[in-house]
Amino acid sequence: GEDVEQSLFLSVREGDSSVINCTYTDSSSTYLYWYKQEPGAGLQLLTYIFSNMDMKQDQRLTVLLNKKDKHLSLRIADTQTGDSAIYFCAETSSGGYQKVTFGTGTKLQVIP
Amino acid sequence: GAVVSQHPSWVICKSGTSVKIECRSLDFQATTMFWYRQFPKQSLMLMATSNEGSKATYEQGVEKDKFLINHASLTLSTLTVTSAHPEDSSFYICSARPHGLWGNEQFFGPGTRLTVL
Repeated sequence: GEDVEQSLFLSVREGDSSVINCTYTDSSSTYLYWYKQEPGAGLQLLTYIFSNMDMKQDQRLTVLLNKKDKHLSLRIADTQTGDSAIYFCAETSSGGYQKVTFGTGTKLQVIP
Repeated sequence: GAVVSQHPSWVICKSGTSVKIECRSLDFQATTMFWYRQFPKQSLMLMATSNEGSKATYEQGVEKDKFLINHASLTLSTLTVTSAHPEDSSFYICSARPHGLWGNEQFFGPGTRLTVL
């Protein structure tokens, strides 16, 4: 089945850039997402990218997609303490009812 | 817009009892809702897909008789954990896909933390 992998933990200083990486195995992925989860809360969609795009920028967020290597990254510019959370990448393929597969999540810690 | 609520936000129950969790789309209609389970420090695992007016589709390994799903209207889906046991303790999150919207975007509820004693 589909598999989505992320590094478990990332620590950065406030004001620096954060880069969270994700790899996936499903070559038929059509949509790729980044979600943010704060402690004890549900998921908030941050941004998404279609599989036919290489890059998407949305304010402080930049998503890069390397479809050949099945690698997705999320760059957060000028990281703030409020960005501390768990970040999940997710993908969906074009088949069936479009089940979304989530990555393992990366805990981002922002040090003041 | 696109707000999904869950009720209750947390619940503690005794082993052997049943617990019902509601998932509502507050400002849109959702023909499809999803139920996920999240263990501490782990990712979300899809349990089942709930389609309005039809039977839910369960993922492999999820007992449909234990986790009853009812999607009675375009704005409400319920998950009932029957005869709950301590191993059912988890964070349950629902999501809803707006009817007619592009692609595959889902909006997530805030989650329900279930603790079974």
